Amino acid sequence: GQSLEQPSEVTAVEGAIVQINCTYQTSGFYGLSWYQQHDGGAPTFLSYNALDGLEETGRFSSFLSRSDSYGYLLLQELQMKDSASYFCAEMTGGYQKVTFGIGTKLQVIP
Amino acid sequence: NAGVTQTPKFQVLKTGQSMTLQCAQDMNHEYMSWYRQDPGMGLRLIHYSVGAGITDQGEVPNGYNVSRSTTEDFPLRLLSAAPSQTSVYFCASSSFGGEGDQYFGPGTRLLVL
Repeated sequence: GQSLEQPSEVTAVEGAIVQINCTYQTSGFYGLSWYQQHDGGAPTFLSYNALDGLEETGRFSSFLSRSDSYGYLLLQELQMKDSASYFCAEMTGGYQKVTFGIGTKLQVIP
Repeated sequence: NAGVTQTPKFQVLKTGQSMTLQCAQDMNHEYMSWYRQDPGMGLRLIHYSVGAGITDQGEVPNGYNVSRSTTEDFPLRLLSAAPSQTSVYFCASSSFGGEGDQYFGPGTRLLVL
């Protein structure tokens, strides 16, 4: 079964802030990554957390709570080009295996 | 750097045929992996490798073989294609000790009739 859970779809308004949540299984957990994928394209890396707390990269931030087996991706000042699918990915077994969630399709509306 | 390259971009097979999907990277990455992506299923790990001569199974390995004779190349072999293997296949690579960032190839779109 799927070891990562994230919402399937999210809709948000241009200029707003949106948060995409991800919960994971704890066995052998090493770190949590986030990827963006536009329709017809390949996934591209956004952010990574191995320790608790917030990592900020421009308009995107990612948060991890190891005690809650939970993380989220925060997108600020949404732009139309942010409409895409966003995947959380769990690294387990000493960074030897990466498993992806089913992805969250974000639609940004005017 | 070309990054991660995959060939072919598109392929149509008949049931029972075999083929090899090629993947190469020029970043000297130790870790390479193959994923398939189907609608509503996200990216599912097929096989992965942590270095030349070392491979392991992912979530959905049945019907696929891999080998890693060099650091650069990680081909995926379909032994006897089935319609259930119709999918988009992505190869990815990363370095150990990095920040969880995998680099993906452009993908191979496979249709099995």
